[in-house]
Amino acid sequence: GPKVLQIPSHQIIDMGQMVTLNCDPVSNHLYFYWYKQILGQQMEFLVNFYNGKVMEKSKLFKDQFSVERPDGSYFTLKIQPTALEDSAVYFCASSFGTGGSAETLYFGSGTRLTVL
Amino acid sequence: AQSVTQPDARVTVSEGASLQLRCKYSYSATPYLFWYVQYPRQGLQLLLKYYSGDPVVQGVNSFEAEFSKSNSSFHLQKASVHWSDSAVYFCALSRGRGSALGRLHFGAGTQLIVIP
Repeated sequence: GPKVLQIPSHQIIDMGQMVTLNCDPVSNHLYFYWYKQILGQQMEFLVNFYNGKVMEKSKLFKDQFSVERPDGSYFTLKIQPTALEDSAVYFCASSFGTGGSAETLYFGSGTRLTVL
Repeated sequence: AQSVTQPDARVTVSEGASLQLRCKYSYSATPYLFWYVQYPRQGLQLLLKYYSGDPVVQGVNSFEAEFSKSNSSFHLQKASVHWSDSAVYFCALSRGRGSALGRLHFGAGTQLIVIP
């Protein structure tokens, strides 16, 4: 089936540094999402993105977070600066639409971010 | 507010036995409900979804789930499990309108261990 690729699978950085998580969504999908899962906790919605804009974001999407998809390339999540509490697995997802059968979300396998 | 509870963090069954993974939700209206499965080192994959109509929905790999409005539940079932079903299973809820359809509220997940 359709694949969402996330690069890298694991990233270790020092607190205060910038990090960019990359997501290669399904090629014809139009809606993109980031979810965050802290170890042992539930996966939680961060943000969704459509037509070059953030449509909706949760309270977890701090001011230090930003998303973009320049020129149809990777869908990225940037954290600048990082904090210890940003350590988590970040899942990217994409969907073709938001109605009927088109709304099925396809998830990547996640990027484990460790902030030291 | 909406929430999803999966009361069993881990379920162990023998191969060939029947299975039920429990999911309870909290939402004032009728939600859109999903079950996802995550195999090791892979992204989440959709098993099945419920929007409306027949409360029993069929999914991939002979999984099915039954929606109960009176019990606020959406339990996942399988008549006979195989060792390859060992994975983490997530129940999720969406308000189901527009971009909110992709804003999923996940349960904490249930790890299924199938003993050969």
